[in-house]
Amino acid sequence: GENVEQHPSTLSVQEGDSAVIKCTYSDSASNYFPWYKQELGKRPQLIIDIRSNVGEKKDQRIAVTLNKTAKHFSLHITETQPEDSAVYFCAARETNTGNQFYFGTGTSLTVIP
Amino acid sequence: DAGITQSPRYKITETGRQVTLMCHQTWSHSYMFWYRQDLGHGLRLIYYSAAADITDKGEVPDGYVVSRSKTENFPLTLESATRSQTSVYFCASSDPYNEQFFGPGTRLTVL
Repeated sequence: GENVEQHPSTLSVQEGDSAVIKCTYSDSASNYFPWYKQELGKRPQLIIDIRSNVGEKKDQRIAVTLNKTAKHFSLHITETQPEDSAVYFCAARETNTGNQFYFGTGTSLTVIP
Repeated sequence: DAGITQSPRYKITETGRQVTLMCHQTWSHSYMFWYRQDLGHGLRLIYYSAAADITDKGEVPDGYVVSRSKTENFPLTLESATRSQTSVYFCASSDPYNEQFFGPGTRLTVL
């Protein structure tokens, strides 16, 4: 089955700096890669996603890049703000068979004011 | 999201009791999932379902039972609760091609 690894497990940045979280996956058939943000005591919520036919996607201060050859994808948050503090999860899915999602172990991001 | 709900939101029970956690979605998503979340373990898949009457084990299925007689409901039963099943349980749903939507979670404590 698929194996998703996520690094780092914790990340602290100064407000205004950038944050980068990296994930690798093992199954070359995976073709959908969502990123979820989970605030303390809340449910995970999608913040951005990317499909295997795209190399990069941006949404305001958030971007995701995908390298299919190397089987890794990354989340980039620019101009970080205190409200970006949360746990972030990456995931991989093979949508041709619509199977389960495979999650990384999460990154706890703290933005220091 | 109002489209996926879980009940109860909080539950305290005793070791050995049977507990059922409910999950209901209004999107007619074919896929539904149950996860448990413990500190330091992220999201671990318990069971998932691709359609009514089709269920599959995830990473940590032992001690849990699921059923899916209707597309919109996916109850999770702990047949004989143990302290190690104290956790936050999230239900989620999706279509075959896009993201999952998570329910608000159920915080279960087994004494």
